[in-house]
Amino acid sequence: AQRVTQPEKLLSVFKGAPVELKCNYSYSGSPELFWYVQYSRQRLQLLLRHISRESIKGFTADLNKGETSFHLKKPFAQEEDSAMYYCALNAGGTSYGKLTFGQGTILTVHP
Amino acid sequence: GAGVSQTPSNKVTEKGKYVELRCDPISGHTALYWYRQSLGQGPEFLIYFQGTGAADDSGLPNDRFFAVRPEGSVSTLKIQRTERGDSAVYLCASRAVTNTGELFFGEGSRLTVL
Repeated sequence: AQRVTQPEKLLSVFKGAPVELKCNYSYSGSPELFWYVQYSRQRLQLLLRHISRESIKGFTADLNKGETSFHLKKPFAQEEDSAMYYCALNAGGTSYGKLTFGQGTILTVHP
Repeated sequence: GAGVSQTPSNKVTEKGKYVELRCDPISGHTALYWYRQSLGQGPEFLIYFQGTGAADDSGLPNDRFFAVRPEGSVSTLKIQRTERGDSAVYLCASRAVTNTGELFFGEGSRLTVL
């Protein structure tokens, strides 16, 4: 069975500081990983996916199969980055989009 | 509409009652998903539709839960004999068949069972 672990429930940083949100997964197959974000009073939305290797809003995430991790990083946090962040694993096979989510990390960026 | 629409946004009911939650996906999205999010947890998969048929209902917790999508667009999640443990936010998401990865979520229906 697949599992996603986000060890930090809460993370606080100051504006301009680097930030790293941790995500570890367990899955026997070839994983596809995502970060979803929920800003205050908004719906859950995709931030980035590992297969595209893109940088969104300054965030990047690298899939490390050896460490089974997919940590989200940003070198200089901004106040508008304050939100709930979920790491998610797609392991649905033919049920594409059947995501397993972590418990989420609330990021607060202080001015 | 521009996004996934869910109604009602809030539903308060009594233990033992029947509840229906509705999801209107983005036009043209053939894949539709229901997730449940309990307080302090990430969303948990319930069921996935491809077109009109339930392609994967392995996440439904028991036979009190049922979902339909009769015309391949709007979906209804039905909960019979509600229990206090059913209290959660029920999220609907849709995806275009040509899209890889991105699920578009609705704002959710918050269900409270008293």
